[in-house]
Amino acid sequence: DVKVTQSSRYLVKRTGEKVFLECVQDMDHENMFWYRQDPGLGLRLIYFSYDVKMKEKGDIPEGYSVSREKKERFSLILESASTNQTSMYLCASSLAFASGSWLHTDTQYFGPGTRLTVL
Amino acid sequence: KQEVTQIPAALSVPEGENLVLNCSFTDSAIYNLQWFRQDPGKGLTSLLLIQSSQREQTSGRLNASLDKSSGRSTLYIAASQPGDSATYLCAGLSRTYKYIFGTGTRLKVLA
Repeated sequence: DVKVTQSSRYLVKRTGEKVFLECVQDMDHENMFWYRQDPGLGLRLIYFSYDVKMKEKGDIPEGYSVSREKKERFSLILESASTNQTSMYLCASSLAFASGSWLHTDTQYFGPGTRLTVL
Repeated sequence: KQEVTQIPAALSVPEGENLVLNCSFTDSAIYNLQWFRQDPGKGLTSLLLIQSSQREQTSGRLNASLDKSSGRSTLYIAASQPGDSATYLCAGLSRTYKYIFGTGTRLKVLA
């Protein structure tokens, strides 16, 4: 079974603190993703990575950065936490494979989520 | 820009009913479509993945179909059970290789 783990289930931080959220997957997946989920807004992509040291901005990257030094680990960093970053953060991973001229992305597997509260 | 809509937003049915959840997307150029369930306060669990070259996938009591020409996917749940109560999300993989999620359908199956 694919396992995606996140470093904390619940986290409380103060405004201005630097926050690290860590995600680890054990299936040698190329792709890893960070989302945030807010009521009424659904899941929104913050950043994703398709290989070690490679990253691309998602739809809402402002105020966040990421790091992927090893294939199994993808970190989300809030440089200076603000109250509007209070949210549920979800990490996911997926396998990428080529078939003919197409690059396919396989099933996304999600971690349990980290509920972050910024006071 | 790809947008994904799910209808209805909430649904309450008696146990045993067959039901259909709908997902529509604005850009037919999607590479695959995935259905998930989410229990309160938890992460997402993948249910079914339909590649763009496929029209449907089945797993147990679940059947998902994809019609790219009309921009629609449906998730059919047969003989619903109270344990099926959850939020169901669909997500389309866009031409930019990013998943776009719908806001979900909250399902409650009454015993």
